[in-house]
Formats: sequence, structure tokens, C-alpha cells
Amino acid sequence: GAVVSQHPSWVICKSGTSVKIECRSLDFQATTMFWYRQFPKQSLMLMATSNEGSKATYEQGVEKDKFLINHASLTLSTLTVTSAHPEDSSFYICSVPISGEQYFGPGTRLTVT
Amino acid sequence: LAKTTQPISMDSYEGQEVNITCSHNNIATNDYITWYQQFPSQGPRFIIQGYKTKVTNEVASLFIPADRKSSTLSLPRVSLSDTAVYYCLVGEWSSASKIIFGSGTRLSIRP
Repeated sequence: GAVVSQHPSWVICKSGTSVKIECRSLDFQATTMFWYRQFPKQSLMLMATSNEGSKATYEQGVEKDKFLINHASLTLSTLTVTSAHPEDSSFYICSVPISGEQYFGPGTRLTVT
Repeated sequence: LAKTTQPISMDSYEGQEVNITCSHNNIATNDYITWYQQFPSQGPRFIIQGYKTKVTNEVASLFIPADRKSSTLSLPRVSLSDTAVYYCLVGEWSSASKIIFGSGTRLSIRP
């Protein structure tokens, strides 16, 4: 069965609004989770490392005030895309490291109109 | 973080064996080599992981030469459902280690 879940699987929002994406580790506690973004026909791009109980670590070029990450518990990390614009439309994927292996969520398709 | 280089795309036919090679010249002593498969609009799925020599599981084999500067993913008797993007990743794979994806190899299988 799935080890990592994401919610929602897809979302459409209007430009200027905020959208929250959840990543859950179903059977394991995770002090670290990763968030990726993937545009069509491109590879996954690491956005940030979500750390339970502390601030997220963002990759260079990723706006921390636009992509808010909250690692609220050992099984949940959320990514909020604030003031979304059409260029934020993408496939967002989280991953959870468990016993030396990375488990990826099914992804969330965000479309900003 | 070791950078990886793979062919952008490959084509093959059903029933054939497919070998995808990945170059990672700057691999570190503690790095493992891991391959993932991704279908459109899905998260990547683990295929196989190795450190040296050869590793085999129910879906693939991974060949790693002694210098570990490259690796080859071997898919035996591919089917249409093996059409996907395959990523070669190199890293320590500890809980805090972030993973950087390369471009991946887009494999297309034809009837």
C-alpha cells in the first residue's frame, strides 16, 4: 500500500488566491520531508526540505514567502502556495526518507487560472 | 552531490532487454546509486539501489563497475508498460540527505 499520500490530487484555483497541499507519511514518522516541483516534460526540481519542529530549508531561487512550508507533526507537512499565479501551475510532489529509501507521494496537480 | 548524466531518450521493442547507462564521475565514497521510474502525473517509484558490483531484484538488475563512476540499469524483456522516465540518482540516502534529480531517460517501448 501507499506509504506517502498527498491531498488534494489536483486543484484548480484563481490567480491571487492561496492553495495548501498536504503530504502525509502514513506508517512512519518523518522528521524530514522534501518538496519538489515538476513542469511538463521536465525533471523534478527540489524546492525545499521540510523539517519537523523547525523552519524549512529552501533551495536557491525558491521564494520562501511564496511557498510556505509547515511541518506540523511527524506525519504531516504542508506546502502553501500563496498569491498563486498561472506560472505556479505545476505538479508538486513530496518525498519521505524512510530507512535509506525515498518514498514519493503521488503528486498534486495545481492549475492556476 | 554527485551529478549524473543519462541519455535523454531511448526506444526499444517489446520483449527486448533494455540497458540504460548513467554516468556519475564525482560519486563519493558514501554514495549509493538508486534508480527510479516515473509515469506521467505520478510520483517516482523506486526500482533498484546498489553500491557496487551487481544487484538484482524481481524487476531489474543494476550493474556497477569497480570504479563506480557509472552504472547500468537493465530491464529484461520490456513491455509497453515499461514506457516511462527513468532517473538515476546518487546520494548518501540518509534521512537528511536531499536528492537532486537529473534529466532522466525517457524510454519508449513499441509493439
